[in-house]
Amino acid sequence: AQSVTQPDIHITVSEGASLELRCNYSYGATPYLFWYVQSPGQGLQLLLKYFSGDTLVQGIKGFEAEFKRSQSSFNLRKPSVHWSDAAEYFCAVGARGAQKLVFGQGTRLTINP
Amino acid sequence: EAQVTQNPRYLITVTGKKLTVTCSQNMNHEYMSWYRQDPGLGLRQIYYSMNVEVTDKGDVPEGYKVSRKEKRNFPLILESPSPNQTSLYFCASSLERTGGADTQYFGPGTRLTVL
Repeated sequence: AQSVTQPDIHITVSEGASLELRCNYSYGATPYLFWYVQSPGQGLQLLLKYFSGDTLVQGIKGFEAEFKRSQSSFNLRKPSVHWSDAAEYFCAVGARGAQKLVFGQGTRLTINP
Repeated sequence: EAQVTQNPRYLITVTGKKLTVTCSQNMNHEYMSWYRQDPGLGLRQIYYSMNVEVTDKGDVPEGYKVSRKEKRNFPLILESPSPNQTSLYFCASSLERTGGADTQYFGPGTRLTVL
């Protein structure tokens, strides 16, 4: 069965520190991978996606993610976080011809000043 | 502006009183979907539609109905709401008919409380 695991429910980092949010997936087909961000009181916004090609993907707001097929992972990174990055982050997986995306449980990010 | 709109944004109702949450997109997208978001459970799909008059169940369809009479609209209907349907609901759409192969664009959410 397809599944996405985000092992960290809540992460706290200091402003200016680096960030890595983990995402592991289990999927039978070649995966399409997504990271979405949900700011408080808002809908989900796409940060970045990976379909094929270069396994290091750049997104909006200075985020990047790296697809590692051997580890079934798609971790999200940012070199230096800003207070405005406080939000909930969701990893999702789909595939060509798939009828839906499968979402992880989400990781809530808190930024300390 | 390209967007997905939902109404209402907030709703408090009582058990058994039928309600409809509307969803509309102006991007001419083929695929539309409803999700509910609950703490610790992420987003779970309720129903989806790949085309007008074509709808199918997602992971948690019990207690919900949908319709897709027009391409732009995809209302969610709770005919007899119960307290376990208290949740945050999101509508989403994507250009591709297969929603798992494309970016999904989300509405702002509807927070529903059933007393």
